[in-house]
Amino acid sequence: EAQVTQNPRYLITVTGKKLTVTCSQNMNHEYMSWYRQDPGLGLRQIYYSMNVEVTDKGDVPEGYKVSRKEKRNFPLILESPSPNQTSLYFCASTPPRGSEAFFGQGTRLTVV
Amino acid sequence: AQSVTQPDIHITVSEGASLELRCNYSYGATPYLFWYVQSPGQGLQLLLKYFSGDTLVQGIKGFEAEFKRSQSSFNLRKPSVHWSDAAEYFCGLADRGSTLGRLYFGRGTQLTVWP
Repeated sequence: EAQVTQNPRYLITVTGKKLTVTCSQNMNHEYMSWYRQDPGLGLRQIYYSMNVEVTDKGDVPEGYKVSRKEKRNFPLILESPSPNQTSLYFCASTPPRGSEAFFGQGTRLTVV
Repeated sequence: AQSVTQPDIHITVSEGASLELRCNYSYGATPYLFWYVQSPGQGLQLLLKYFSGDTLVQGIKGFEAEFKRSQSSFNLRKPSVHWSDAAEYFCGLADRGSTLGRLYFGRGTQLTVWP
């Protein structure tokens, strides 16, 4: 079954404690991306990756890092989380030529 | 620049009533267009998509959308809403022919269904 898997689904952490949200896809897609969803703001892209070792900033990259060492994995790293990063995060994987995105189930992060 | 506008933040309808959610886009040509639904506590599920051809697109759960180039719109419709349709709906756009695979989303429309 084609899917995008994110872990964890829920995470509560304290300010400044480094965390990683994992994302894995089994569709051999080259393009992967991270979004955050906040009430009234919709989905905003944080970072994206066009292929292994190729990443770039989206609209709201501050406070986040990513890496793409393997095609299937695209982890999101918060090196020093702050309360304004409390949000719902989605990983997405997209086939080429602008087709629809396949989304993970989301990670609800709370930073206290 | 590409952008997607969903003018209605929140819509309330009675069960059994018809529904139309508005979506307008800004793009230099004809984009790929999508509607996603997010049920409470769930991820994003693709309802339907428009790539080319017939401008009236059928999707899952009885939804349809119509692409109107002259109005730069891609409104979502359903003739009779069910209580289980209560969710947040997102309209999205992708660059046609782009290898980037990036999607642009509207801010979402929250749908409440009264029994």
